[in-house]
Amino acid sequence: GAVVSQHPSRVICKSGTSVKIECRSLDFQATTMFWYRQFPKQSLMLMATSNEGSKATYEQGVEKDKFLINHASLTLSTLTVTSAHPEDSSFYICSAPTQPNTEAFFGQGTRLTVV
Amino acid sequence: GESVGLHLPTLSVQEGDNSIINCAYSNSASDYFIWYKQESGKGPQFIIDIRSNMDKRQGQRVTVLLNKTVKHLSLQIAATQPGDSAVYFCAENISVSPKVTFGIGTKLQVIP
Repeated sequence: GAVVSQHPSRVICKSGTSVKIECRSLDFQATTMFWYRQFPKQSLMLMATSNEGSKATYEQGVEKDKFLINHASLTLSTLTVTSAHPEDSSFYICSAPTQPNTEAFFGQGTRLTVV
Repeated sequence: GESVGLHLPTLSVQEGDNSIINCAYSNSASDYFIWYKQESGKGPQFIIDIRSNMDKRQGQRVTVLLNKTVKHLSLQIAATQPGDSAVYFCAENISVSPKVTFGIGTKLQVIP
């Protein structure tokens, strides 16, 4: 299947700093990528839809100034958690479909811990 | 609506038995459904999908059943193995939108 690579897999940062997470489609071009957040023992919550060449679409309740998304190329989307706080600690996962309305392939996830 | 923020139910199955994982989806307009498997600390992996013009689809050891009347989806795993232990999520999609919404998830524990 298609490969989506996410980096880093784990990151620990201090409160108040910003953290950037990268999501790459390695063997296909992705005009759309998705960013999810997952708390322990819970489901994936869609945060935003990343659109290549245009602004991301954020889900209700997700602060766009807090979670900056950039999709500058057809193979890379980045999520920057700005001014991170301990409550931002979570598992962040990206995904990308190879074609619209087909199964999406997921990155390995990034475990963010804010101390 | 979205089924988020709830703790995962658990299904315990003896190795070799068949497993049935159920999912109720919320949007009657959804026309594409996917099952994902998520192992601890990893991203979800695609298992099988089904479109709304079908009510059953089979893969290797897995079968997905779709009942649109009651908005219910199930995943059947034949001859469950220890490697099947994971959290299983159903996801729904409407073809006019790229967005995929995940269900609550079920933790499958296989007892050796």
